Amino acid sequence: QVQLQESGPGLVKPSETLSLTCTVSGGSMNSYYWSWIRQPPGKGLEWIGYIYYSGTTTNYNPSLKSRVTMSVDTSNNQFSLKLSSVTAADTAVYYCARHIQGSGTWGMDVWGQGTTVTVSS
Amino acid sequence: SYELTQPPSVSVSPGQTARITCSGDALPDQYGFWYQKKPGQAPVLVIYKNSERPSGIPERFSGSRSGTTVTLTISGVQAEDEADYYCQLPDNSGTLFGGGTKLTVL
Repeated sequence: QVQLQESGPGLVKPSETLSLTCTVSGGSMNSYYWSWIRQPPGKGLEWIGYIYYSGTTTNYNPSLKSRVTMSVDTSNNQFSLKLSSVTAADTAVYYCARHIQGSGTWGMDVWGQGTTVTVSS
Repeated sequence: SYELTQPPSVSVSPGQTARITCSGDALPDQYGFWYQKKPGQAPVLVIYKNSERPSGIPERFSGSRSGTTVTLTISGVQAEDEADYYCQLPDNSGTLFGGGTKLTVL
């Protein structure tokens, strides 16, 4: 059974770059789209972006596009998120997830447990 | 882009039926998806492609679509169903979540 695990710093200073990695275990990344989603405290879910397993396709939320970069390392079964110039508004629980096979705009059937990132000096 | 509108809250007694709607100016041929989110836990996909149920999801969860509204129905609600529920649909920029509905089991 496929499992996802997020990793990265839990505290990031304002104006710096948030970097997270999602490690995929129990299965292959091949033929799937992979996303990052976040949930700020007391708010709803927000899709950040997705990347195809080959790295050939990415798509980012327009509201974050100028600050987001996603990459994939299939040799290590990992994909990553970089979010630059962070502010307190980027404080959230960040999740990685796998899309149902077929489209990066469809639902996500496997999720990581989430990792809390706080932006503070 | 557009917005997906969900009622902020729905309350039902155990054994009753809960219906949660999600509406917006979505492309009419796009699939809708639903998630259950409990505090401190990752979201769980409970309905995909408007009305399909993933393995392991109880039969009391069902979904439907009519025009630009998708609906999650929970029949015979149980105390364990108390959670936030989010719809998700593709949009022109990628994919979009509704604002979420808090289901309270009285």
